Amino acid sequence: QQQVKQSPQSLIVQKGGISIINCAYENTAFDYFPWYQQFPGKGPALLIAIRPDVSEKKEGRFTISFNKSAKQFSLHIMDSQPGDSATYFCAASIDSNSGYALNFGKGTSLLVTP
Amino acid sequence: ETGVTQTPRHLVMGMTNKKSLKCEQHLGHNAMYWYKQSAKKPLELMFVYNFKEQTENNSVPSRFSPECPNSSHLFLHLHTLQPEDSALYLCASSPSDRPSGEQYFGPGTRLTVT
Repeated sequence: QQQVKQSPQSLIVQKGGISIINCAYENTAFDYFPWYQQFPGKGPALLIAIRPDVSEKKEGRFTISFNKSAKQFSLHIMDSQPGDSATYFCAASIDSNSGYALNFGKGTSLLVTP
Repeated sequence: ETGVTQTPRHLVMGMTNKKSLKCEQHLGHNAMYWYKQSAKKPLELMFVYNFKEQTENNSVPSRFSPECPNSSHLFLHLHTLQPEDSALYLCASSPSDRPSGEQYFGPGTRLTVT
């Protein structure tokens, strides 16, 4: 059973636009929600992460919005650039459980056109 | 070298072959992971090692056998694989096996089973 559902599967955005990727989860025990970015030929790299005690976290052009009651969180990329073209993965986990690693979504392939 | 390295980067093997994947991390981390990444599927955790001890085996078939001789090295021994095992195998490391410990991924080994 997939623990984290991610949408859309692919996304095309014009340069300067806003990219939005959504994730939903069922397990209310999850308390750590990271986003990973993966470029072709590379492994995923941590982009930004949030805990459920805040509703929003911003780092540069990247913002996570978190809705605990709806069990949803999303990644917003403002002023999207061609260099942002990559695959993005959301994930969720229970941070207090040692050895319990991340539950990943299926990924979103983002293409930012010039 | 820095970060997490994996060798080989590409591997083609027959179903009766025995081969090994190697991962090395130069970050001084204590936890190491093997993930399987298939097209259109979420990243699947296979194994977790913390201080050389296996703390997670995510119901992986016995044809995959991990080995962690020290905190810097991780191997995945492969034998009698099936075509459906063809995928990108990613190694990662983190300061601890807590999910919030940022995981640093290697570039992966692209495995094709013929």
